[in-house]
Amino acid sequence: DIQMTQSPSTLSASVGDRVTITCRASQSIGTWLAWYQQKPGKAPKLLIYKASNLEGGVPARFSGSGSGTEFTLTISSLQPDDSATYYCQQYTGYSTFGGGTKVEI
Amino acid sequence: QITLKESGPSLMTPTQTLTLTCTFSGFSLSTYGVGVGWIRQPPGKALEWLVLIYWDDDKRYSPSLQTRLTITKDTSRNQVVLTMANIDPADTATYYCAHRLEGPNWNAAVFDYWSQGTLVTVSS
Repeated sequence: DIQMTQSPSTLSASVGDRVTITCRASQSIGTWLAWYQQKPGKAPKLLIYKASNLEGGVPARFSGSGSGTEFTLTISSLQPDDSATYYCQQYTGYSTFGGGTKVEI
Repeated sequence: QITLKESGPSLMTPTQTLTLTCTFSGFSLSTYGVGVGWIRQPPGKALEWLVLIYWDDDKRYSPSLQTRLTITKDTSRNQVVLTMANIDPADTATYYCAHRLEGPNWNAAVFDYWSQGTLVTVSS
């Protein structure tokens, strides 16, 4: 299995801050990486796929970058609605997810 | 508009067989390339991919669970059914079904539409 490690596990930031979440893969996955946002009691919502492709309807303040084994999700200007847990997922083969990053505002 | 909704029991006893049904609309599981997957999430923990089924009845199972999982589809009813045998308290989780957006091969999937999730608790 490809292991996905996210950091930090929790972060606190203020409205308007630039926030970066990191995801590292245990082996190269090219750009086959997705990011999801999950709010309590809700299903995950796809934000980014293929490392940097913004899913339709997702605000432009979200962006993704990286390739190989290191990836980042950036929120350019944190909004109150962005309070959630964020997961990365590799899908180069059998999918595996990171442990999540909880973003507190 | 794509929607998915799962149904099934909320409480199970260890060693039983769990059956979950995903009923979807807005796409057809008889269309080339279309796939539906199941993902679960234990309370307070991360997501775990379980299985995929495709338009041509190809099935891909998580290696760690493949001996216990069976997935089938009923194209005419727009349903996918997941069964998990010999259920254990460690299988307590919220179970989601989801629509596959893409992937570099048939083992792989990123999911763009998800069901709301159903919590299955396994306890004696």
